Amino acid sequence: SQQGEEDPQALSIQEGENATMNCSYKTSINNLQWYRQNSGRGLVHLILIRSNEREKHSGRLRVTLDTSKKSSSLLITASRAADTASYFCATEAPDAGNMLTFGGGTRLMVKP
Amino acid sequence: NAGVMQNPRHLVRRRGQEARLRCSPMKGHSHVYWYRQLPEEGLKFMVYLQKENIIDESGMPKERFSAEFPKEGPSILRIQQVVRGDSAAYFCASSPDNTGELFFGEGSRLTVL
Repeated sequence: SQQGEEDPQALSIQEGENATMNCSYKTSINNLQWYRQNSGRGLVHLILIRSNEREKHSGRLRVTLDTSKKSSSLLITASRAADTASYFCATEAPDAGNMLTFGGGTRLMVKP
Repeated sequence: NAGVMQNPRHLVRRRGQEARLRCSPMKGHSHVYWYRQLPEEGLKFMVYLQKENIIDESGMPKERFSAEFPKEGPSILRIQQVVRGDSAAYFCASSPDNTGELFFGEGSRLTVL
């Protein structure tokens, strides 16, 4: 079964709006990472948040982590058409190295 | 510094044939991971290798699948006697150590007819 589950599975917004994607997981983690995947391409690492961190920013991205609820959110502010992609959360369990467990992804469409 | 290189990008095989997928990690990276992605799904871990060693293969099917990362040359994921259910995108990722960010290749898309 998947460790991370993203919500929603699909999201369609207008350019300039904010996009929020959520991820829930089941077991304890060392860190949680968000990746982006354009259609037919590989994954690109966006941001990593460690289990002792609650919030992290990178440009227009904001990630939160609530370990008590075993959930994370990815916020993309002022979205652009170029942000259209699938976004995946991935968790690294303690002692698991980089053997990440991925969720099913959120497919984001940003309309110009 | 070239990224993770995978080839072929697309591979078509008939049932029963063999598929060989290659991955050259980023320069200086000695940790290689293979993941499989079915259509509209997330990635599933398959195997973690370092040079000449399989560290963890807990995600690999017990039969028909094998992986290696020789002292020289790329890492190879080999699928023998392919079946239609093997159709997927296979991604390789590398890292300089076993924590933190993974760098992914563009994937090899296998289609089994």
